[in-house]
Amino acid sequence: EDQVTQSPEALRLQEGESSSLNCSYTVSGLRGLFWYRQDPGKGPEFLFTLYSAGEEKEKERLKATLTKKESFLHITAPKPEDSATYLCAVQGAYGQNFVFGPGTRLSVLP
Amino acid sequence: KAGVTQTPRYLIKTRGQQVTLSCSPISGHRSVSWYQQTPGQGLQFLFEYFSETQRNKGNFPGRFSGRQFSNSRSEMNVSTLELGDSALYLCASSLAVSNEKLFFGSGTQLSVL
Repeated sequence: EDQVTQSPEALRLQEGESSSLNCSYTVSGLRGLFWYRQDPGKGPEFLFTLYSAGEEKEKERLKATLTKKESFLHITAPKPEDSATYLCAVQGAYGQNFVFGPGTRLSVLP
Repeated sequence: KAGVTQTPRYLIKTRGQQVTLSCSPISGHRSVSWYQQTPGQGLQFLFEYFSETQRNKGNFPGRFSGRQFSNSRSEMNVSTLELGDSALYLCASSLAVSNEKLFFGSGTQLSVL
């Protein structure tokens, strides 16, 4: 059974204090690993797709990396507007449904 | 381009009742998926529809059902509501079945009393 875990559950940073979020997964053949951002009262918003170990994607202050067992979302010099819950999801090689992790709730204090 | 629209935004029901939630996907998107989000279980897949046919189904009881219309709009129905059905129900649309990029609506917050 495909599984996704995320750590930490919650993270509080000062503005400008860089850190990383972890997503560990087990899947029967990885088709893709996805990062989403969810703001309170809204649905998740797509950030990145990673397909194979060693791949990296960047968007503004965010950088996602992938290994065979886990993915990291690095946040460089975060700002208060980066505060949100970050969700990781995997899709198996046979194109079945997405399996989401529980998320990391990030708070960036000014 | 309009995003995914879900109605109603909030819903309060009592145990034993049934409820129907609606989702209008992004124009041109033919796949619609439904997810249940709770603080304890996170986002869990309910089902996916494409061209009016259910293509994938999650591990939920038969009380949860859905359908898709020819214009790609979708509805999900929950019958005989239980307290544990209280959750945020999210709809996501994409261009094709199990497409990698999902576009989510803001959800319907269902409270069962």
